[in-house]
Amino acid sequence: GAGVSQSPRYKVAKRGQDVALRCDPISGHVSLFWYQQALGQGPEFLTYFQNEAQLDKSGLPSDRFFAERPEGSVSTLKIQRTQQEDSAVYLCASSPIRDGLTEAFFGQGTRLTVV
Amino acid sequence: DQQVKQNSPSLSVQEGRISILNCDYTNSMFDYFLWYKKYPAEGPTFLISISSIKDKNEDGRFTVFLNKSAKHLSLHIVPSQPGDSAVYFCAASARGRDDKIIFGKGTRLHILP
Repeated sequence: GAGVSQSPRYKVAKRGQDVALRCDPISGHVSLFWYQQALGQGPEFLTYFQNEAQLDKSGLPSDRFFAERPEGSVSTLKIQRTQQEDSAVYLCASSPIRDGLTEAFFGQGTRLTVV
Repeated sequence: DQQVKQNSPSLSVQEGRISILNCDYTNSMFDYFLWYKKYPAEGPTFLISISSIKDKNEDGRFTVFLNKSAKHLSLHIVPSQPGDSAVYFCAASARGRDDKIIFGKGTRLHILP
């Protein structure tokens, strides 16, 4: 596809339910990022992959959050036992590595509402 | 601890005038700075960037200025147009270390008719 694709666009989960959010990056992009954006805030870094390697997961808020990118392309962000504070828009971005420039291209996001 | 700060939550500017959005950062390791624009229900879209070896980068109506000694950057939009109404995020990365991009909280720009 032409851009970063995320699914589902909207997800309503009952508290305690597990959810999985999918990101299809731009073909050929080696870097992939996950961000969490709460209402009225800027995107907060969660985790970062270079190909299949998860190089940084320092932003994951708890061990209930898990991300993977097993073949260096599609990535899944999984949240176990969702809590109300997990309600946010989850943004995925991908970036090419070219001469050290960094321009992340974002998907439309998945809006997660935990009720 | 906010490493990238946008202290103005919102800004209103008359159509045709100059819009100036400001951003401050605290991490001296940052060497690459970006501005993103976001419309409601869409992901942020890249607008313009600047490397720390420059103090100015211009692209059409958009110019970004970087003052490294003050750890400050600004985005100038001139002339402002109605379609510029959006949330603008300042972001920074330390390319010498990794590709992680840190965002500010954003400034909502309203272009008034």
